[in-house]
Amino acid sequence: DIQMTQSPASLSASLGETVTIECLASEDIYSNLAWYQQKPGKSPQLLIYDASSLQDGVPSRFSGSESGTQYSLEINSLQSEDAATYFCQQHHDYPYTFGAGTKLELK
Amino acid sequence: QIQLVQSGPELKKPGESLKISCKASGYTFTDYAMQWVKQAPGKGLQYMGWINTQTGKPTYADDFKERFVFSLETSASTAYLQINNLKNEDTATYFCARLEFGVFDYWGQGVMVTVSS
Repeated sequence: DIQMTQSPASLSASLGETVTIECLASEDIYSNLAWYQQKPGKSPQLLIYDASSLQDGVPSRFSGSESGTQYSLEINSLQSEDAATYFCQQHHDYPYTFGAGTKLELK
Repeated sequence: QIQLVQSGPELKKPGESLKISCKASGYTFTDYAMQWVKQAPGKGLQYMGWINTQTGKPTYADDFKERFVFSLETSASTAYLQINNLKNEDTATYFCARLEFGVFDYWGQGVMVTVSS
């Protein structure tokens, strides 16, 4: 199975700041990576697919990028509603696997 | 609008069985596969597998090949997850999610399952 190593496990940032969350794939996943946001007690919501394509309705302050097997989610101009846990997921090979998650706290 | 509505919370004893439903609306049910994802309390997301909504063929991730059964009632646009011989470690929230091009674009609200004697 493809392993997704996500970092950091948690981070704290202030309103208006920019944060970056990363996922390292154990092998080449050819940009087949998605990012999800999950708020407490809610189901995950798709933010980005194919590494950098923004899902309809997702604010443009969210962006995705890649460098080799390293994938990044950047959130610009943090808003209070961005406090959540973020997960990456590879969809290159079955079984699809998730990163362990990054809990983002707003100061 | 597209919705996946799951059944309500469950409290079960070890050894019992349960069946969770996931009713789809707002799209043609058989055009998209349905996935199942487990989230233990305070933990991350664990992929359980998927069911082909056209053929009814299920595919299970390794950790879910025993005791777990995916099924459909296509006429009702509903997918089911059955868990047999429940164990304490099955305590979790279970999500259904629609699959499009490898990503889960719509999710159910989740079903909290508690297994306790």
